[in-house]
Amino acid sequence: EVQLVESGGGLVQPGRSLRLSCAASGFSFDGYAMHWVRQAPGKGLEWVSGISWDSGAIGYADSVKGRFTISRDNARNSLYLQLNSLRAEDTALYYCAKDYGGNHFFDYWGQGTPVTVSS
Amino acid sequence: EIVMTQSPATLSVSPGESATLSCRASQSVSSNLAWYQQKPGQVPRLLIYGASTRATGIPARFSGSGSGTEFTLTISSLQSEDFAVYYCQQYNSWRTFGQGTKVEIK
Repeated sequence: EVQLVESGGGLVQPGRSLRLSCAASGFSFDGYAMHWVRQAPGKGLEWVSGISWDSGAIGYADSVKGRFTISRDNARNSLYLQLNSLRAEDTALYYCAKDYGGNHFFDYWGQGTPVTVSS
Repeated sequence: EIVMTQSPATLSVSPGESATLSCRASQSVSSNLAWYQQKPGQVPRLLIYGASTRATGIPARFSGSGSGTEFTLTISSLQSEDFAVYYCQQYNSWRTFGQGTKVEIK
């Protein structure tokens, strides 16, 4: 059974940093691209960042480019998102999502970890 | 960045009726288009991929069509469990979601 479990969310002040993690199990993690998607309270889904199976291709939404960094550790079956220079508008539930292959839709999602940026 | 625009924002439909949701891309995404359903407090669920292929376990009343920049999700004979928010997503160039269409009970 595929499982994606996010962690690392919390309350953080504007301008500070946070590191999110996603622990994957139930599939060959090193064979799939992975993504982060966020959803602000009461709002829609926003793709944040994606990374190929070998970290050779990485992409970011314009809204987070230069502030967030995605990475993965295939030996640990883990996906990460480093969030720097956080703003109030980054407040959201952050989901980890598994790509169907290398350039596809998302077939599995975690339950999300909440990030609140507030002073 | 490809912008996805969904319409309408809200659709009021009576149970048993059909619903037609639209999604437009700012540039061609070929058939690299997926639809997801999200209910309150739940994780998004994949409905359609490749613009028209139903995901595993998705009822036949859900159908998708379109290619290039114009896409449609049709839900025929709406059931109570179909009232939710629906998102389109392009995966032709990284990923982008539309802003969602809420299907509510009329």
